Amino acid sequence: DTEVTQTPKHLVMGMTNKKSLKCEQHMGHRAMYWYKQKAKKPPELMFVYSYEKLSINESVPSRFSPECPNSSLLNLHLHALQPEDSALYLCASSQGVGAEEKLFFGSGTQLSVL
Amino acid sequence: AQRVTQPEKLLSVFKGAPVELKCNYSYSGSPELFWYVQYSRQRLQLLLRHISRESIKGFTADLNKGETSFHLKKPFAQEEDSAMYYCALSTSGTYKYIFGTGTRLKVLA
Repeated sequence: DTEVTQTPKHLVMGMTNKKSLKCEQHMGHRAMYWYKQKAKKPPELMFVYSYEKLSINESVPSRFSPECPNSSLLNLHLHALQPEDSALYLCASSQGVGAEEKLFFGSGTQLSVL
Repeated sequence: AQRVTQPEKLLSVFKGAPVELKCNYSYSGSPELFWYVQYSRQRLQLLLRHISRESIKGFTADLNKGETSFHLKKPFAQEEDSAMYYCALSTSGTYKYIFGTGTRLKVLA
């Protein structure tokens, strides 16, 4: 399996809802990432997990809560989101943690916050 | 601060014509540079990285540290090259990728 799988593909939620995005990879990659991509904009880094530990939090609001239960899974828990949080949320993984490592992206979850 | 600049939002060329997508970066350390591509309805994927010095699908990119550039080139564009192209910079000692704003390439028949 050489893919990063994200579920769900689409999600519509209200501002008071709690939901979770899921990401899975079975390539043995040791780093996993969450990116946010608004329409016609580049991906923006949110979080990085390295060896299941949070390495980078790019000053993301606390209404986004990442979790890495094991080396293959990455979750993003959502609570009390705002309409401006509507975006494509991309998960990625890389084999190692060096700067030269390439990223493998999932196809994303398109999130709409009403 | 690190920055990646792709000056062209849209680049249109005719099939068979040469194509060059520009990328300039700002980083005081030793950069790792990449080109990622997103074809219609497909996920973002790596096209090539400077460390590998490879040619993928006829594309090449050379890191020019003097001009802080990493332009993507192909001598003869094909219609299937139409896609969104992102230049990305990875900084040593971190896991941060910084993406440029992207260039949409349209290859016209």
